[in-house]
Amino acid sequence: DQQVKQNSPSLSVQEGRISILNCDYTNSMFDYFLWYKKYPAEGPTFLISISSIKDKNEDGRFTVFLNKSAKHLSLHIVPSQPGDSAVYFCAASAGGNKLVFGAGTILRVKS
Amino acid sequence: EPEVTQTPSHQVTQMGQEVILRCVPISNHLYFYWYRQILGQKVEFLVSFYNNEISEKSEIFDDQFSVERPDGSNFTLKIRSTKLEDSAMYFCASSGGTDTQYFGPGTRLTVL
Repeated sequence: DQQVKQNSPSLSVQEGRISILNCDYTNSMFDYFLWYKKYPAEGPTFLISISSIKDKNEDGRFTVFLNKSAKHLSLHIVPSQPGDSAVYFCAASAGGNKLVFGAGTILRVKS
Repeated sequence: EPEVTQTPSHQVTQMGQEVILRCVPISNHLYFYWYRQILGQKVEFLVSFYNNEISEKSEIFDDQFSVERPDGSNFTLKIRSTKLEDSAMYFCASSGGTDTQYFGPGTRLTVL
């Protein structure tokens, strides 16, 4: 089941710079998209979401962009901080039902 | 800030034994979920629960699995006869509506 794909297993960024995490999806029925951050042995922590009626949502240092025609979304973190180092999961749902997760991207922010 | 809690944090059991994983969702939430993550794999959906009944379940959620909301606060996942392949992190989640799901810290289940 590859409905949600995060093609970059890892990303390394210098502190203070922008981190861009990408996610692609195949199911055109998805109408709600979320990003979660996860540390080892902990549960996913909600970061930010976007509805399919929008193309951008911003919350502090985090911005999510949605390109429906390309079935692509991205999470921008500006500026990146060492505490942002974690695994980031993209997830999607159709009609408010189950979440379908991507495989995750490990973000390392170097100080 | 309200949060989802789960107990125990780690459960070790013998193959064939029954386990019950417990969750306390956020108090005013109405939708409840179980997910699991096998080591090195994606987080995958197991079951959703609303209005005291299962609203959706995955093919993983076979007859060995059951969920229950025994009272106004707890939400449980029971595995009747555990198998080695049930070893995973199990996450409970809840949502107030058909939107953002908030996850608990997880229960690590180890089946020997």
